[in-house]
Amino acid sequence: GNSVTQMEGPVTLSEEAFLTINCTYTATGYPSLFWYVQYPGEGLQLLLKATKADDKGSNKGFEATYRKETTSFHLEKGSVQVSDSAVYFCALGLGTYKYIFGTGTRLKVLA
Amino acid sequence: DAGVIQSPRHEVTEMGQEVTLRCKPISGHDYLFWYRQTMMRGLELLIYFNNNVPIDDSGMPEDRFSAKMPNASFSTLKIQPSEPRDSAVYFCASSSTESSYNSPLHFGNGTRLTVT
Repeated sequence: GNSVTQMEGPVTLSEEAFLTINCTYTATGYPSLFWYVQYPGEGLQLLLKATKADDKGSNKGFEATYRKETTSFHLEKGSVQVSDSAVYFCALGLGTYKYIFGTGTRLKVLA
Repeated sequence: DAGVIQSPRHEVTEMGQEVTLRCKPISGHDYLFWYRQTMMRGLELLIYFNNNVPIDDSGMPEDRFSAKMPNASFSTLKIQPSEPRDSAVYFCASSSTESSYNSPLHFGNGTRLTVT
């Protein structure tokens, strides 16, 4: 079946540390992959996406590469800020109506 | 673009009462989704519409839940009667097939429902 597995949180980092949040997936067909971010009291916002193998999505210093060989889409940022504290969701898109979300990883960045 | 607009932001009600949640999708989007978020179960898809027509309501937990989309700019999710286990954050999201096959979802800020 189709599924997304994210690393469990919370992840606590000091400001300017390097961030990696792991995401692996299983899917039939050719999915798109997304990272969404949810700030407290808000809905999910699209952070970045990749639509085919070897694509790299990037936004606001965050990056993720669609690795078909390892079925992964790990989120990385070279230097996190306090304002990056949020919950991050990896998601699989299997067509306009079918999305599979991971359980979310809470990131806390300390000043 | 105003984004997806949901109301109310917070709703506190007593068990047995009817609750109606409202959503205005982004203009021009032809898909609308209702999700529920809880700590225990994460994000669950309840129902989605395409061009105002309900396509898949298999995620609706019980007959107490119903959703409508009378026109392209408005949808409601109703719970009648409400129960404490319905307490959650309910999100509405919309997307468009125009831009690409796997269009991202645009979420509203959610309605936090508390049933006492």
